[in-house]
Amino acid sequence: QLQLQESGPGLVEPSETLSLTCSVSGGSIGGSNYYWAWIRQSPGEGLKWVGSIYFRGNTYYNPSLKSRVTMFVDTSTNDFSLQLTSVTAADTAVYFCARHQGDCSSSSCFLSYYYSMDVWGQGTTVTVSS
Amino acid sequence: QSVLTQPPSVSGAPGQRVTIACTGSRSNIGAGYTVHWYQQLPGKSPKLLISGNNNRPSGVPDRFSGSKSGTSASLAITGLQAEDEADYYCQSYDSSLSGFYVFGTGTKVTVL
Repeated sequence: QLQLQESGPGLVEPSETLSLTCSVSGGSIGGSNYYWAWIRQSPGEGLKWVGSIYFRGNTYYNPSLKSRVTMFVDTSTNDFSLQLTSVTAADTAVYFCARHQGDCSSSSCFLSYYYSMDVWGQGTTVTVSS
Repeated sequence: QSVLTQPPSVSGAPGQRVTIACTGSRSNIGAGYTVHWYQQLPGKSPKLLISGNNNRPSGVPDRFSGSKSGTSASLAITGLQAEDEADYYCQSYDSSLSGFYVFGTGTKVTVL
C-alpha cells in the first residue's frame, strides 16, 4: 500500500527558505503515470495547491507562488522535495504531499484536469516565526 | 480566496440526508472539468471521497454520492452517521490564473 510521509523543520525564520521532503514507500515514484504534489492548509487560505512534479522533472506551480517555489524529485531515494523561498508568516501552514495521475503518453506526461489526489501524507506543520 | 465556494456548515440528525454545494465558475466547473470531494476528519489529512464527479473509490460507503450541473457540484450524504462528522472539500481544475488545481472553502458537517 502506497504511503507518503512529509518531513522537515517545523519552524522557519522569516525571509528564509522552507524545505520539505516527501518520502514515498510501498511503490515507486518513477516509471508511472503519476504526478507528486504539495498542498498546504492554513486558516487564512484553506487548502491550496502549491505545485506538482513528474519523475522526469516536469513541474507545474501555483501562479501565486511560482516565483518562490522549486520542486525536485529523487528517484534513487524515492522521494520528492519542496523549497519555498523568502517565507513570511503567510506561509505558515500544514503542508501535505499527495499523488495524482497525469495525462500521459509514452513520450510525455502533462497535468490533467481529470484526476483526483488519491493518496495523501499525514501532513507536517510549518510555522514561520523569528 | 478560494475560487470554489461552499457553505461553512451543514448539520443533520442521524439517518437524515444532507447536501453540500460547491459553486464555481466558467473557468473551472462550468468549463466541464471534473469535481472531486475529500473528507477531512479532525487532525487528519484529506481523504478522497468522490472522484470524477460521482465515482466512489473502493471502501467509500454508497451513502456518499456526487453530482455536477452547470457551474456547481454537490455532495450528498444519505443515512447520516456520527462518523460522518468532518470537514468536506470539493476540488477541480481551473483554467484561469487561479492555479490549475483549486479547492473549495470547506464545509463542516455536524451530526446532531
